[in-house]
Amino acid sequence: DAGITQSPRHKVTETGTPVTLRCHQTENHRYMYWYRQDPGHGLRLIHYSYGVKDTDKGEVSDGYSVSRSKTEDFLLTLESATSSQTSVYFCATTGALNYGYTFGSGTRLTVV
Amino acid sequence: AQSVTQLDSQVPVFEEAPVELRCNYSSSVSVYLFWYVQYPNQGLQLLLKYLSGSTLVKGINGFEAEFNKSQTSFHLRKPSVHISDTAEYFCAVQDNPGNQFYFGTGTSLTVIP
Repeated sequence: DAGITQSPRHKVTETGTPVTLRCHQTENHRYMYWYRQDPGHGLRLIHYSYGVKDTDKGEVSDGYSVSRSKTEDFLLTLESATSSQTSVYFCATTGALNYGYTFGSGTRLTVV
Repeated sequence: AQSVTQLDSQVPVFEEAPVELRCNYSSSVSVYLFWYVQYPNQGLQLLLKYLSGSTLVKGINGFEAEFNKSQTSFHLRKPSVHISDTAEYFCAVQDNPGNQFYFGTGTSLTVIP
């Protein structure tokens, strides 16, 4: 969706290195989410944000942190990347009165 | 927390045949139901949604879904599939606007020429 961009689109990194993924939205949506997608697991929530500097953990938050200093940006950081974090990461947003998400195009991360 | 079950992980179907992708959810309280489609190497796109009202919901690309509250199901159907419908389909539940989604594990639809 043109209103949400994720960067980078692809990344290969080494085990033990920190990695930051960026989600940028122009929708002025209050809520933002980070999901990971893995075969057989569907999409699982990592972290989410209800507003600037207001974040909370999802079901698979271990090894990840987030920050939201501006409405439009939601950063996901892998503190020390592991091979189990090889995945496709999706950002999603929604407004306070909206039903449904708008998704970004995803970031494919490979940890070697 | 909600639980969403997609009963079939893979569904092969011949072109122009009908298809049904099944979805069941756990909660008996009011929920909002969605189907998303993901084409290879792309993000998720909304196919259709049920918020209230008529239990038969029509979406894009000729898909429709029926909400059945007593069976807590929201199955997706198309009367005649095309090659271009080959994709991954996800059922999702949201309990309030702005809240997180709970996703099923996905159904891979392969349309055979």
